[in-house]
Amino acid sequence: GPKVLQIPSHQIIDMGQMVTLNCDPVSNHLYFYWYKQILGQQMEFLVNFYNGKVMEKSKLFKDQFSVERPDGSYFTLKIQPTALEDSAVYFCASSLDRVDDEQYFGPGTRLTVL
Amino acid sequence: QQQVRQSPQSLTVWEGETAILNCSYEDSTFDYFPWYHQFPGESPALLIAIRPVSNKKEDGRFTIFFNKREKKFSLHIADSQPGDSATYFCAASRTGNTGKLIFGLGTTLQVQP
Repeated sequence: GPKVLQIPSHQIIDMGQMVTLNCDPVSNHLYFYWYKQILGQQMEFLVNFYNGKVMEKSKLFKDQFSVERPDGSYFTLKIQPTALEDSAVYFCASSLDRVDDEQYFGPGTRLTVL
Repeated sequence: QQQVRQSPQSLTVWEGETAILNCSYEDSTFDYFPWYHQFPGESPALLIAIRPVSNKKEDGRFTIFFNKREKKFSLHIADSQPGDSATYFCAASRTGNTGKLIFGLGTTLQVQP
């Protein structure tokens, strides 16, 4: 079936550095999401993005976070600067439509902030 | 505050048995309830989903039972197979919302041959 790719699969960085997580969504999808999963906890919604704009963001989506998808390329999540509590697995998802349309998930990027 | 609660955290059944995974929710405006499964090293993938217009949804060996009054829904996996061993996540969403899914903590299912 359709696949969402995420690059890199793992990233280790020092606290305070900038990191960019990349997502290659399903080609004809219009809605894009980031979810965060801390070890042992549930996946939590961070942000969703449509038509070049953030539609909704959660309280987890701090000021240090930003998303963009320039010219239909990767959908990216940038964290600048990173903090220790940003260590988690970040899942990207995409869907053709909104509610009750299947969200396809990527395999996740494991981010470790030292 | 957990909006979607899932139990048990882990479950072991024998091959051929029915595995039952449970979820409950708090927000009565939720109206879309998917179940995702995730195999080790792979992406979460949609397994089956239900809307409250019905109280049951079947897809092969997988059935969702939905109780709107009690705000509960469950996934029944009939004739469990070792290949069903995975982590299962329930989720909830709301029409008119931006599509964000609220996930449960997950149930790790182990099917013993």
